[in-house]
Amino acid sequence: KQEVTQIPAALSVPEGENLVLNCSFTDSAIYNLQWFRQDPGKGLTSLLLIQSSQREQTSGRLNASLDKSSGRSTLYIAASQPGDSATYLCALRASGSRLTFGEGTQLTVNP
Amino acid sequence: GAGVSQSPSNKVTEKGKDVELRCDPISGHTALYWYRQRLGQGLEFLIYFQGNSAPDKSGLPSDRFSAERTGESVSTLTIQRTQQEDSAVYLCASSRGPRTTEAFFGQGTRLTVV
Repeated sequence: KQEVTQIPAALSVPEGENLVLNCSFTDSAIYNLQWFRQDPGKGLTSLLLIQSSQREQTSGRLNASLDKSSGRSTLYIAASQPGDSATYLCALRASGSRLTFGEGTQLTVNP
Repeated sequence: GAGVSQSPSNKVTEKGKDVELRCDPISGHTALYWYRQRLGQGLEFLIYFQGNSAPDKSGLPSDRFSAERTGESVSTLTIQRTQQEDSAVYLCASSRGPRTTEAFFGQGTRLTVV
């Protein structure tokens, strides 16, 4: 059974810092990995999708990497802003095609 | 619409009543997912539809929960004889295909059972 772990559970940083969120998984037989953000009381917003054959994806200040062999993905956020404050979730799609989610990292960027 | 649409956005119901939650996926998306998120907790898989294939119902927590999907369009999640532990946000997502494509979520239905 696929297990997805996100560390840290919560992170507080001052505005302007670069930061890294971590996602680890136990079964490397995945189709893809997707990063989402969730604002309080809202649904999930897709940030980046990395296919199993890819190593990284970039969108603006966000960069996500994937290392299947070690069962890890990272989400790098450059020059963080208060508007980046949210919960960040990683999700894997493997056999059966359901998305398996981590518990999330709650990020607070302080002005 | 351009995104996944869920209705109602909020629902308050009395314990023991039945509720129906609706999800309109993005047009052309063959895959549809339902998840539940209890307050302060992670996303719990409920059910997955892919085209005309038999749905993956392995996440439904009890026989009080059921879901239907008409072709590749709207889906309804029905909870019968609601209990207080059913209180949660119910999230729907869709994707263009089953495995390699990006999933998009709706804003969710917040269900409160009193």
